Amino acid sequence: KQEVTQIPAALSVPEGENLVLNCSFTDSAIYNLQWFRQDPGKGLTSLLLIQSSQREQTSGRLNASLDKSSGRSTLYIAASQPGDSATYLCAVRRTSGTYKYIFGTGTRLKVLA
Amino acid sequence: DADVTQTPRNRITKTGKRIMLECSQTKGHDRMYWYRQDPGLGLQLIYYSFDVKDINKGEISDGYSVSRQAQAKFSLSLESAIPNQTALYFCATSDLGDRGTRDTQYFGPGTRLTVL
Repeated sequence: KQEVTQIPAALSVPEGENLVLNCSFTDSAIYNLQWFRQDPGKGLTSLLLIQSSQREQTSGRLNASLDKSSGRSTLYIAASQPGDSATYLCAVRRTSGTYKYIFGTGTRLKVLA
Repeated sequence: DADVTQTPRNRITKTGKRIMLECSQTKGHDRMYWYRQDPGLGLQLIYYSFDVKDINKGEISDGYSVSRQAQAKFSLSLESAIPNQTALYFCATSDLGDRGTRDTQYFGPGTRLTVL
């Protein structure tokens, strides 16, 4: 059974700091992995999607990496800003069986001005 | 205007009542999903639909039903609401775009449902 874990559950950093959010999954047979951002009272916004054949994806100050063999993905945020404060979730899609994304419970990030 | 809209945004109801949550999208996507989010549990898939004639159960479909009225509309019903269905409900869409964007999910703003 695929399980997705995100540690830490919460993180506070000063503005300008580079930071890494972690996502671990137990079954390496994944189709893809997505990172999302969720603001309070709002839906999820897809940030980056990494296909199983890819090692990383970049968008602006965000870089996501994928290491299937070790069951890990990281989301790197460069030069953090207060506007980056949100909950970040990762989700993995299995390669076979019922179409399903398994979501982690998220890391709640607060960037202090 | 938002690409994925949900109505209502908030709803308080009583045990045993029938509730319908509606989702509409203007993205032209064939695939639509319903999730629920509970504190500390992450999102769980309730139902998904790959086109108007294709409806599939997710991991927690018991107590829920869906209707795909058109490509753009996907509604979720609770036939007889119970308190443990109190949660935040999200609708999402995705398409079969090029491999780089395939499966990118676009979420609505959510419906906060409270069952007393």
